Amino acid sequence: GENVEQHPSTLSVQEGDSAVIKCTYSDSASNYFPWYKQELGKGPQLIIDIRSNVGEKKDQRIAVTLNKTAKHFSLHITETQPEDSAVYFCAASYGQNFVFGPGTRLSVLP
Amino acid sequence: NAGVTQTPKFQVLKTGQSMTLQCAQDMNHEYMSWYRQDPGMGLRLIHYSVGAGITDQGEVPNGYNVSRSTTEDFPLRLLSAAPSQTSVYFCASSYSPGGVGYTFGSGTRLTVV
Repeated sequence: GENVEQHPSTLSVQEGDSAVIKCTYSDSASNYFPWYKQELGKGPQLIIDIRSNVGEKKDQRIAVTLNKTAKHFSLHITETQPEDSAVYFCAASYGQNFVFGPGTRLSVLP
Repeated sequence: NAGVTQTPKFQVLKTGQSMTLQCAQDMNHEYMSWYRQDPGMGLRLIHYSVGAGITDQGEVPNGYNVSRSTTEDFPLRLLSAAPSQTSVYFCASSYSPGGVGYTFGSGTRLTVV
């Protein structure tokens, strides 16, 4: 089945710096890759997603890149702000469902 | 528009007890699912449904049961609670299989003692 790895598990950056989180997947049939942000005590919230026919997608300070050949995709957050502090999960489609990565705890230090 | 509503938010059970975690959505989504979240393990799929009357098992279905009698509701039943089922449970819904546009509920924190 599908296996999704995510690195790093924790990441601390200074406010205003960029943050990058990387994920790899194993099933070449996966074709949809969402990213979720989870704040303390809340459910995950979709922040950006990308389909396999697209190499990059941007939404303001957030971007996602996909390398299908290497089976990896990354989340890029620029000009980080304290409110970006949260746990971020990547996921890869697998049949009718998803497999999630284990998460990255991002801390933005003022 | 409430989105996905989960009740209760917190629950403590004794080993062997049974209970039902409720999930309701008001977005007319066909696809609904239940996940459990454990530290360092991300979200793991328990059961899912692609429409009323249709359910299937996910990655970790043992000890759980589901039914989908209406589009709106997708309850998760713990048949005989075990300490290994201590976790945070999330319900999610989407307008399409594959979870495009997934909306998650706020979660139920369950402790089994």
